[in-house]
Amino acid sequence: SSELTQDPAVSVALGQTVRITCQGDSLRSYYASWYQQKPGQAPVLVIYGKNNRPSGIPDRFSGSSSGNTASLTITGAQAEDEADYYCNSRDSSGNLHVVFGGGTKLTVL
Amino acid sequence: QVQLQESGPGLVKPSQTLSLTCTVSGGSISSGDYYWSWIRQPPGKGLEWIGYIYYSGSTYYNPSLKSRVTISVDTSKNQFSLKLSSVTAADTAVYYCAREGRYFDWLTSPPWRANWFDPWGQGTLVTVSS
Repeated sequence: SSELTQDPAVSVALGQTVRITCQGDSLRSYYASWYQQKPGQAPVLVIYGKNNRPSGIPDRFSGSSSGNTASLTITGAQAEDEADYYCNSRDSSGNLHVVFGGGTKLTVL
Repeated sequence: QVQLQESGPGLVKPSQTLSLTCTVSGGSISSGDYYWSWIRQPPGKGLEWIGYIYYSGSTYYNPSLKSRVTISVDTSKNQFSLKLSSVTAADTAVYYCAREGRYFDWLTSPPWRANWFDPWGQGTLVTVSS
């Protein structure tokens, strides 16, 4: 299957922990990568591989995987974390498709 | 630090061909470690992968766009390009170019795989309208 499913919207209180999930068959053998996108800006990679953060990404961002579900966890969410978050992987069925989830709008209350 | 920059017309007429170029700076497009992709985002919607090219010229396209897409590379200019033919209003979007990395996690059995897009260009809005 070449689909990744995300909840359209999630909210979190300032300073609390939030988990954003991404489901898909490919995630049984592919680590998801995660992107943060703020209005009018290009997506920014925040997590890739098993749980790797690019330089400059705060350590409150972490990734995990279980079964067909990948998760992005923000521990101690900040106001500046309010954004759209997208997951991504490749199709694992033998073709070479790239797939993106539909995105999750995170609101920090 | 690698940077990508899209360029091309911001307005294309229906039925015509959309053409964009991505210029890579700070690194060589001929690095065999990466793939070079085009991704688009219609206004208010999510990300859609269009296709990628390897420095050798091999390509792979989104099946939903395959009949209309051509991606090419010019290693001498450190650029890769997108052509999308027979455009309609549905092709109105911000178009991004991005570098894709991949690896195998050999500590797992069978090995897990990973891919990611970094960096991205700033994006360019292409409007299809007469």
